[in-house]
Amino acid sequence: GAGVSQTPSNKVTEKGKYVELRCDPISGHTALYWYRQSLGQGPEFLIYFQGTGAADDSGLPNDRFFAVRPEGSVSTLKIQRTERGDSAVYLCASSLMGGMNTGELFFGEGSRLTVL
Amino acid sequence: AQSVTQLGSHVSVSEGALVLLRCNYSSSVPPYLFWYVQYPNQGLQLLLKYTSAATLVKGINGFEAEFKKSETSFHLTKPSAHMSDAAEYFCAVSEKGNTPLVFGKGTRLSVIA
Repeated sequence: GAGVSQTPSNKVTEKGKYVELRCDPISGHTALYWYRQSLGQGPEFLIYFQGTGAADDSGLPNDRFFAVRPEGSVSTLKIQRTERGDSAVYLCASSLMGGMNTGELFFGEGSRLTVL
Repeated sequence: AQSVTQLGSHVSVSEGALVLLRCNYSSSVPPYLFWYVQYPNQGLQLLLKYTSAATLVKGINGFEAEFKKSETSFHLTKPSAHMSDAAEYFCAVSEKGNTPLVFGKGTRLSVIA
């Protein structure tokens, strides 16, 4: 596609439920990043993939959060046993180059998650 | 660990006036610095970046920023604001390929006609 695509754009769920958020990066981009943006805050790093493997997952807040990128393209962020504090906009970005700051990151419009 | 402070969560300027958005960083090694812009209902877009070349960096839409090591600053400027500049602006820092981008809290720019 022309840009980074994220689905769903909005997700409302109940506390305790399982949620999956999908990111389709720009074709050919090898690096993929997940960030989380809470109200009034800047984006917060969660995890970074180079190809299929997670190169850095130091930003994942706890073991309820998990992300995969099985074929080196589409990625899914998975959140188990959601809590109200998980409510945020989840941003995905991709880039041509490896390394987290050597190239421009192209961001999607985000998936807004609301946990009731 | 690196960090970014953006002074002023909201800045309001008149159309045609100077835009100045402040960013100070903290980094134990020479940083890479970025400004991103987020227009309403759109994704973050790179405005400009500093990666240890020229200290004055020019970006898109007439914006520029100057890296000042002595002041640990990377303020964003534009000589004349346009209505279309109204958006949220984020400053970000990283440590030369070894760490993820760390973003500031953002500054919302309003432009008054």
